[in-house]
Amino acid sequence: DTGVSQNPRHKITKRGQNVTFRCDPISEHNRLYWYRQTLGQGPEFLTYFQNEAQLEKSRLLSDRFSAERPKGSFSTLEIQRTEQGDSAMYLCASSLNPYEQYFGPGTRLTVT
Amino acid sequence: DQQVKQNSPSLSVQEGRISILNCDYTNSMFDYFLWYKKYPAEGPTFLISISSIKDKNEDGRFTVFLNKSAKHLSLHIVPSQPGDSAVYFCAASALGGGSQGNLIFGKGTKLSVKP
Repeated sequence: DTGVSQNPRHKITKRGQNVTFRCDPISEHNRLYWYRQTLGQGPEFLTYFQNEAQLEKSRLLSDRFSAERPKGSFSTLEIQRTEQGDSAMYLCASSLNPYEQYFGPGTRLTVT
Repeated sequence: DQQVKQNSPSLSVQEGRISILNCDYTNSMFDYFLWYKKYPAEGPTFLISISSIKDKNEDGRFTVFLNKSAKHLSLHIVPSQPGDSAVYFCAASALGGGSQGNLIFGKGTKLSVKP
């Protein structure tokens, strides 16, 4: 399968714990995006990488959130001190150009 | 303040008929529009897109129409098939405005195509 992959697919954690998600983009794609989707809403942009550089961050990305793409390939999204409001589907997308983004299956986070 | 609005949460259509999904936007800087389809437990799948320099783009059974003066776009699916049943998201980007391609999504419309 050469699509975008995300791990884990599901994560249940207790409030206050840290979690980390991984995204593996389509191999030749230099652009990588993170989005968050809550129930009844469309995906909301969190952050964007071009190669290893993080070029854009949404105001939704509080200081408890950090994202990296150390070698311009896979990316990680870490949430520290999770809160119940962080419960959502976290989606990763990649692309070669700014036009069409290809999404992974997402990581569903539940904070109890 | 929602910049991309899909005012119909759901739509039900008979198989073989036309499905029309609508989307309105408020930001005049948007210059690129996309439609995504999403099945449960999967990520959104790209369907079709249109640049603001065009008013129509067609790909097989899917056609997107853009009315810039009304800030409105629509997705037509004809003929509709039961496999088209999914949530459809409209998305927009302001590429000419310096956006890196981050997409602004509507809330989605759930399409049900009945056999």
